[in-house]
Amino acid sequence: EVQLVQSGPEVKKPGESLKISCKGSGYNFATHWIGWVRQTPGKGLEWMGVIYPEDSDTRYSPSFQGRVTISADTSTTTAYLQWSSLRASDTAMYFCARGFYNSRWNYYFDYWGQGTLVTLSS
Amino acid sequence: SYELTQPPSVSVSPGQTASITCSGDAFPKQYGYWYQQKPGQAPVLVIYDDTERPSGIPERFSGSKSGTTVTLTISGVQAEDEADYYCQSGDNSDVDPVVFGGGTKLTVL
Repeated sequence: EVQLVQSGPEVKKPGESLKISCKGSGYNFATHWIGWVRQTPGKGLEWMGVIYPEDSDTRYSPSFQGRVTISADTSTTTAYLQWSSLRASDTAMYFCARGFYNSRWNYYFDYWGQGTLVTLSS
Repeated sequence: SYELTQPPSVSVSPGQTASITCSGDAFPKQYGYWYQQKPGQAPVLVIYDDTERPSGIPERFSGSKSGTTVTLTISGVQAEDEADYYCQSGDNSDVDPVVFGGGTKLTVL
């Protein structure tokens, strides 16, 4: 059974750093893309980026390039999303998801983690 | 940046057919995908590659495409189908390989 299990909720202050995780199991973690998606309270889904764990090939959405870093560790089958300096606007639910690169050069996601809620509070 | 346009809300009575549309200029070339999200839960893929249904998704969910519009159709809607539905695709220029529509709230009356 494919599973993506994310780390627990976080409460941080603006300016602090943060790294959240997503552990995959039940499939070949190294050879499947992992994506990260943000959902702000009461709003829709925003794609942040994807990583191919086997070679760490990474692509970022233009909206998030330079703001976050995506990484993966094949030895622990875990992907990560990190910030060096959080902003109040980073308050959101963050989902990881297993991705596929289709024949039209786009991605889609078939299994999703349960989400990690990040709350910024001064 | 590339955008996908969905109606904010659709209402339907139980047993009727619900259709949710998603418009985007790249659709003649790009595939459309649909996700269902219930409150407090992660999204679930219900349609991929315009018309394909993942295993475990009920047959009442179907997808279609015509020109610049993809459509999710739910036949014989059940109360459990009440949820937010998001379309997803990408552009033709490889700048935005993942774009989500704004979401449609399906209400079962």
